[in-house]
Amino acid sequence: DGGITQSPKYLFRKEGQNVTLSCEQNLNHDAMYWYRQDPGQGLRLIYYSQIVNDFQKGDIAEGYSVSREKKESFPLTVTSAQKNPTAFYLCASSIQGTVLNEKLFFGSGTQLSVL
Amino acid sequence: KQEVTQIPAALSVPEGENLVLNCSFTDSAIYNLQWFRQDPGKGLTSLLLIQSSQREQTSGRLNASLDKSSGRSTLYIAASQPGDSATYLCAGNNAGNMLTFGGGTRLMVKP
Repeated sequence: DGGITQSPKYLFRKEGQNVTLSCEQNLNHDAMYWYRQDPGQGLRLIYYSQIVNDFQKGDIAEGYSVSREKKESFPLTVTSAQKNPTAFYLCASSIQGTVLNEKLFFGSGTQLSVL
Repeated sequence: KQEVTQIPAALSVPEGENLVLNCSFTDSAIYNLQWFRQDPGKGLTSLLLIQSSQREQTSGRLNASLDKSSGRSTLYIAASQPGDSATYLCAGNNAGNMLTFGGGTRLMVKP
């Protein structure tokens, strides 16, 4: 089955700790995205990547880092600099990312909580 | 900067009712408007995408309209079913695929 796989589904972070959220896709999409969702709110863009070895900051990139070494993978690291990391994190992909009117495909999300 | 608002935040209707979900946006220079469905604790599923040159899109019991001049989009659900219960989010696309999301409307369809 083609799709986007996020892991783990639940993740707990201790104070001062960096944690990494995994996102893998087998849709052969060029573009990948990370969004943060807080309760009752819409999604906010953290980082996006339109091609391997390149990525751009979104609206709320502070305290986060990403890498895009492979087309299929776009891991997100939540660093200790992110003071309010508790949220639902969603990874998405689209075919090219530079073409208008593309649909986004989403993973099932990772719930990150602070211990 | 684009701002997207969805009102109401929550809606409860009896099964079989036709209903309308509202989405408003501040920047009319929009490439497209997308509607998504989100089940609790899950990711988003794309429902409909309306391009700026279109006025509406239909998929089964769903119909979405777009009025750029008034900054509004609506999602019409016909003959609602309990399985339609979910959160519905709209998102405006003003630049590439950088979507601006509304806060969503949480829909409950009661049997």
